[in-house]
Amino acid sequence: AAGVIQSPRHLIKEKRETATLKCYPIPRHDTVYWYQQGPGQDPQFLISFYEKMQSDKGSIPDRFSAQQFSDYHSELNMSSLELGDSALYFCASSSRGGGQETQYFGPGTRLLVL
Amino acid sequence: SQQGEEDPQALSIQEGENATMNCSYKTSINNLQWYRQNSGRGLVHLILIRSNEREKHSGRLRVTLDTSKKSSSLLITASRAADTASYFCATDPAWDGTASKLTFGTGTRLQVTL
Repeated sequence: AAGVIQSPRHLIKEKRETATLKCYPIPRHDTVYWYQQGPGQDPQFLISFYEKMQSDKGSIPDRFSAQQFSDYHSELNMSSLELGDSALYFCASSSRGGGQETQYFGPGTRLLVL
Repeated sequence: SQQGEEDPQALSIQEGENATMNCSYKTSINNLQWYRQNSGRGLVHLILIRSNEREKHSGRLRVTLDTSKKSSSLLITASRAADTASYFCATDPAWDGTASKLTFGTGTRLQVTL
C-alpha cells in the first residue's frame, strides 16, 4: 500500500539559510500534519491542513510557514534557520473527511543546521 | 505543552516475556493512539482506541483505556528482539469535523534481549 512520502530524506543547511520540506500524503487522504522531533524528544505538533485550508496550529515558529496544494501535497518552508531547528520533521496524513482518525506518518526529513 | 507521561521511561526484558507500558494524559480525548519508533526512524501506527472503548487487541498487542483515570496501557505479549523500539502514546482531542493534532507522550524505550 502507498505510504506518505517525504522529500528530501536528509538535508544539511547553514544558519540563516532557508529550507523547504515536501510531503505527499497517502492517495485520497485529505489531511496533512507536520511534526518536529528534536533529538531524544517526543514529536511536537506544528501545523495541519484539512482540504487545503490550515486547520490547526501548534508550536510553529513565525519563521516557518506551510501550505497544502490543490493536489494535497504540502510544503513546510523554514527561513532564517537556527541551530535549534535541527530535528526530524515528520509529515502525517489521514482521511478526516472519511471519518478515519488514524494518522499515518512518513519516514521523516532529518534536518541538520550547521 | 506535553499531554502525556509514559511509564516507565525505559524497560529491558528478555525475549518471550511480556512488556507493559503506561501512559497518562491530562485533557479530554477523542481517541488515543500508540506508535512505535525504531531509533531515528519513522513512526509506525500500532493501534487506536476510542474514548468509548475500554480494551482493544491486535495480534500480540493489548491496549486498555481508562478515561476516568486518564490513562492507557500497552501490553506486548511474548516479546521478540524485533520489538526493540521506542513506544509513544498520542492523544487526539475531541474532533469537530476538521483536522486535529496528536499530542505525544514522552515515550518508553523497550529493549528486548535474547
